[in-house]
Amino acid sequence: AQTVTQSQPEMSVQEAETVTLSCTYDTSESDYYLFWYKQPPSRQMILVIRQEAYKQQNATENRFSVNFQKAAKSFSLKISDSQLGDAAMYFCAYRIHQGGSEKLVFGKGTKLTVNP
Amino acid sequence: DTAVSQTPKYLVTQMGNDKSIKCEQNLGHDTMYWYKQDSKKFLKIMFSYNNKELIINETVPNRFSPKSPDKAHLNLHINSLELGDSAVYFCASSPKTLQLRAYNEQFFGPGTRLTVL
Repeated sequence: AQTVTQSQPEMSVQEAETVTLSCTYDTSESDYYLFWYKQPPSRQMILVIRQEAYKQQNATENRFSVNFQKAAKSFSLKISDSQLGDAAMYFCAYRIHQGGSEKLVFGKGTKLTVNP
Repeated sequence: DTAVSQTPKYLVTQMGNDKSIKCEQNLGHDTMYWYKQDSKKFLKIMFSYNNKELIINETVPNRFSPKSPDKAHLNLHINSLELGDSAVYFCASSPKTLQLRAYNEQFFGPGTRLTVL
């Protein structure tokens, strides 16, 4: 069964500095998608970044980038120049195809605090 | 324009009651989902529907019954509510994924916080 593990329940970073959130996953598939979602206190789920497993190049979205290590099944999120608005729960997720549909399997989340 | 909307946003009720949460999407998507986020923030899929047809049912108690009157709506009805049903319930939608490498983002609603007393 596919599982997603986030080993850091909480992380903190100083404003303007860089922080890396870790995620590992388990799968026997070769083609898949990985995602990072942000959930601020408003509880809205916001897609931060996605990575296609068949692409070797790491995805980037402005201050957010990933380090995707397919062989190690590792998918970490780097946030550069951290801002107060980055404070939130961050969830790593893996997309699974099932019966003509798909579902997201989430890790347990990392709570990120940004200190001014 | 709200893409995926849920009503109500908050629901407080007594144990044993029956309640419904409504979800509507105006994105023209074929697939809709219900996810549950427990008190420890763990998110897990409950159901997915594709064009009103149930596709995924993740061993959810049969007290939970999703209903899809049309492909833009997926409502969640819960019978005989229990304390453990207290959670945030998220509806989401996406286009139908036809190919393994195709990417279709799941758009989430704002969530409904259910509190069972």
